[in-house]
Amino acid sequence: AQSVTQPDIHITVSEGASLELRCNYSYGATPYLFWYVQSPGQGLQLLLKYFSGDTLVQGIKGFEAEFKRSQSSFNLRKPSVHWSDAAEYFCAVADNNNDMRFGAGTRLTVKP
Amino acid sequence: DTAVSQTPKYLVTQMGNDKSIKCEQNLGHDTMYWYKQDSKKFLKIMFSYNNKELIINETVPNRFSPKSPDKAHLNLHINSLELGDSAVYFCASSSLNQPQHFGDGTRLSIL
Repeated sequence: AQSVTQPDIHITVSEGASLELRCNYSYGATPYLFWYVQSPGQGLQLLLKYFSGDTLVQGIKGFEAEFKRSQSSFNLRKPSVHWSDAAEYFCAVADNNNDMRFGAGTRLTVKP
Repeated sequence: DTAVSQTPKYLVTQMGNDKSIKCEQNLGHDTMYWYKQDSKKFLKIMFSYNNKELIINETVPNRFSPKSPDKAHLNLHINSLELGDSAVYFCASSSLNQPQHFGDGTRLSIL
C-alpha cells in the first residue's frame, strides 16, 4: 500500500524567508500527490495536486511543489513566507482508487 | 454553501454511550470518507463509500459503523464509546481521481 513520510515534524522560519517542506512517498505506480494545509481548529484545505504532466505544480497562496520521480519526492516550496502561513501541512498520496494516505504532518511556525 | 458539512462540530459525552456524527456533501461526488485525527495530528482513513457501497474498511473496531443512506450522506455511528475514541473525525468526499474535499471536523471528547 502507498505511504508518505514527512521527515520534519516542526519547522520554524522567519517571515519573508523561503520555505521548503519535504515529502517522500512510496507507491509502485504513478502516484497522485497532494499537499493540504490545516489551520488550528480547522479542516484540511487543498493547496495543490499532482496527477500527471508538468512536474512543477502551482497551488494557492503562492505555494508550489515539484514531483521528482527519481527521488520519490514531492516537496512543497514558497519563496517568501507570511505570518498567516503558520499551520500544519500534510502531504498525501493516493492510488487510482482514490485511497489516500497522509504523512504525519509538518508544523510550520513563522517568526516575526 | 458549505460543500462538506459535518454535525455536530463538538461532541462531549461519557464513556459507554452511543453517538452519531452526520456528514453531507453537496458536490455531487460519488465517494465519501471518514478519517480520524488523533492528538498528534495523525490522519488515518477509517472508511470510504462509493455510491453507498463500502470500499475501504481499515482496521477499525466494529463499534464503529458507517451508514450511507444515499451518495450525498455518510454518517458514523459509534457504540460503547471508549476514552481512546477521543479525536477529531473528518468527513471528506471526492470524485474518482480528484482531490478530496474535507469537512471542518467533529471534535469528540470522552469523559
